[in-house]
Amino acid sequence: KQEVTQIPAALSVPEGENLVLNCSFTDSAIYNLQWFRQDPGKGLTSLLLIQSSQREQTSGRLNASLDKSSGRSTLYIAASQPGDSATYLCAVVTRGGSNYKLTFGKGTLLTVNP
Amino acid sequence: GAGVSQSPSNKVTEKGKDVELRCDPISGHTALYWYRQSLGQGLEFLIYFQGNSAPDKSGLPSDRFSAERTGGSVSTLTIQRTQQEDSAVYLCASRTPGLEVTGELFFGEGSRLTVL
Repeated sequence: KQEVTQIPAALSVPEGENLVLNCSFTDSAIYNLQWFRQDPGKGLTSLLLIQSSQREQTSGRLNASLDKSSGRSTLYIAASQPGDSATYLCAVVTRGGSNYKLTFGKGTLLTVNP
Repeated sequence: GAGVSQSPSNKVTEKGKDVELRCDPISGHTALYWYRQSLGQGLEFLIYFQGNSAPDKSGLPSDRFSAERTGGSVSTLTIQRTQQEDSAVYLCASRTPGLEVTGELFFGEGSRLTVL
């Protein structure tokens, strides 16, 4: 059974700092990994999608890397801003029997202080 | 539509009542997921629809929960005889057509259910 862990559970940083969020998964046979952002009381917004054959994806100040063999992904946020404050979740797709399973981590709550 | 649409956005009900939650996925998206997010918890998978295939219902927590998808588009999640532990945000998501495994997942804003 796939398990996804995100460390740390919460992180507080001053504005302008570069930071890294971690995501690990137990079954390395994934099809893709997706990072999401969730603001309080809102749904999930897709940030980056990395296919199993890819090593990283970049969008603006965000960079996500994937090391499938070691079961790890990192989300790097450069020059953090207060508007980056949110919960960040990662999710992986793996094969589960005849279906494809999407498994989420519990998220990292990020607070960027002005 | 432009995005995944869910209704109602908020629902307060009394214990024992039935509720229906609606999800309208992005037009043309054939893969649709329902998740539940309880306060302070991660996302719990409920059910997955893929085109005309039999849905994956393995995540439904009890027989009080059911879901259907009519015409391959709109989906309705029904909770019968609601209990207080059913209180949560119910999230719906759909995936880019033709990329049901590798495509990007898009979420709605969720339906917040409170059972008194």
